[in-house]
Amino acid sequence: DIQMTQSPSTLSASVGDRVTITCRASQSISSSLAWYQQKPGKAPKLLIEKASSLETGVPSRFSGSGSGTEFTLTISSLQPDDFATYYCQQYNSYSRAFGQGTKVEIK
Amino acid sequence: EVQLLESGGGLVQPGGSLRLSCAASGFTFSSYGMSWVRQAPGKGLEWVSAISARADSTNYADSVKGRFTISRDSSKDTLYLQMTSLRADDTAVYFCAKPSSASGRYYPYDVWGQGTQVTVSA
Repeated sequence: DIQMTQSPSTLSASVGDRVTITCRASQSISSSLAWYQQKPGKAPKLLIEKASSLETGVPSRFSGSGSGTEFTLTISSLQPDDFATYYCQQYNSYSRAFGQGTKVEIK
Repeated sequence: EVQLLESGGGLVQPGGSLRLSCAASGFTFSSYGMSWVRQAPGKGLEWVSAISARADSTNYADSVKGRFTISRDSSKDTLYLQMTSLRADDTAVYFCAKPSSASGRYYPYDVWGQGTQVTVSA
């Protein structure tokens, strides 16, 4: 099965900061990578699919890049609403594994 | 509006069984493969199981294989997860999820239910 590894596990940042989260796959998944945002007590929200395709309604400060085994999620200027936990997910194979998550906290 | 509504969660003793349901509305349920994802308290997301649109293919995480069974009734627009031989580490919020596309292979999940809590404890 494909394993997904995110880093860091926790990130402390301030409003306005540029933030980057990394996700690595244990084998190539082409561009079959999604990013989700989850707030406490809520279901995850799909932000990006196909590694870099922003979902409708998602602010343009979010961007994704990468292919193969290494991917990044970047928030260009962190806003108060962005403090949450972010997960990557591969969907190249049936197991659709998630990364362990990155919690973005207020510094 | 596209919606998924889970039900059937609750408190069950170790070794017990539970059946979760997920009622779908606002889209052509029979055209989409569907999935279950769970989240243990304070932990990350874990993909659990998936079923194809025509119910001719099912997949399971190793952690639930042989104990959980996914099924669907497209006449009722409902997804199910039958859980048996439940263990304490099955305690989690269980979400049903719809992929962003109905056309073949695999896609990420663009619609999620609100989740249903399953607690396995004596």
